[in-house]
Amino acid sequence: RKEVEQDPGPFNVPEGATVAFNCTYSNSASQSFFWYRQDCRKEPKLLMSVYSSGNEDGRFTAQLNRASQYISLLIRDSKLSDSATYLCVVNVMNYGGSQGNLIFGKGTKLSVKP
Amino acid sequence: DAGITQSPRHKVTETGTPVTLRCHQTENHRYMYWYRQDPGHGLRLIHYSYGVKDTDKGEVSDGYSVSRSKTEDFLLTLESATSSQTSVYFCAISDRGLYQETQYFGPGTRLLVL
Repeated sequence: RKEVEQDPGPFNVPEGATVAFNCTYSNSASQSFFWYRQDCRKEPKLLMSVYSSGNEDGRFTAQLNRASQYISLLIRDSKLSDSATYLCVVNVMNYGGSQGNLIFGKGTKLSVKP
Repeated sequence: DAGITQSPRHKVTETGTPVTLRCHQTENHRYMYWYRQDPGHGLRLIHYSYGVKDTDKGEVSDGYSVSRSKTEDFLLTLESATSSQTSVYFCAISDRGLYQETQYFGPGTRLLVL
């Protein structure tokens, strides 16, 4: 089983739609969770961290379910400018308890159409 | 945007030649990373550095070496380039907090090995 799995998409949605991205991770020692956004031929950029209680930033809502090892991202009222690839990212603690390195999912491509 | 530059931005080279990619930061961050991104694989860690002259291997380090002689520069060297090293290479920087880190990425280098 891959460490971080995402639906590759593409998701093609009309403007104004609500779209949900799902992600599962295999290592129960994962400590930190993020969603990154990557535009075509550009570098990844942090979209938002994901907290245990869930968190919201404008039209974006992130949820974490540690028991199911599942992370989600919801985009409401999608805009043309939301078209990008969304990367699910987890950080696994090292054996000694220090932070490990980030593990990236392959990403889900979103295309928002007029 | 974080102060990270990569050079060159594009390079075409021949199999068997050495190649060095440079990452330069103006943020004075302790951690620096080299990733490669390929279709179907997502971002994979090659090497990282946790301080001047302190480096460690990542997931896909074979065929690559790195050096960090000063805080602001992290070099990635392909000793003898192969076609399988054709990829997009991203540098990233971070300052690891106690529980989380945010990585900031450079614009990437597109490398084609013929």
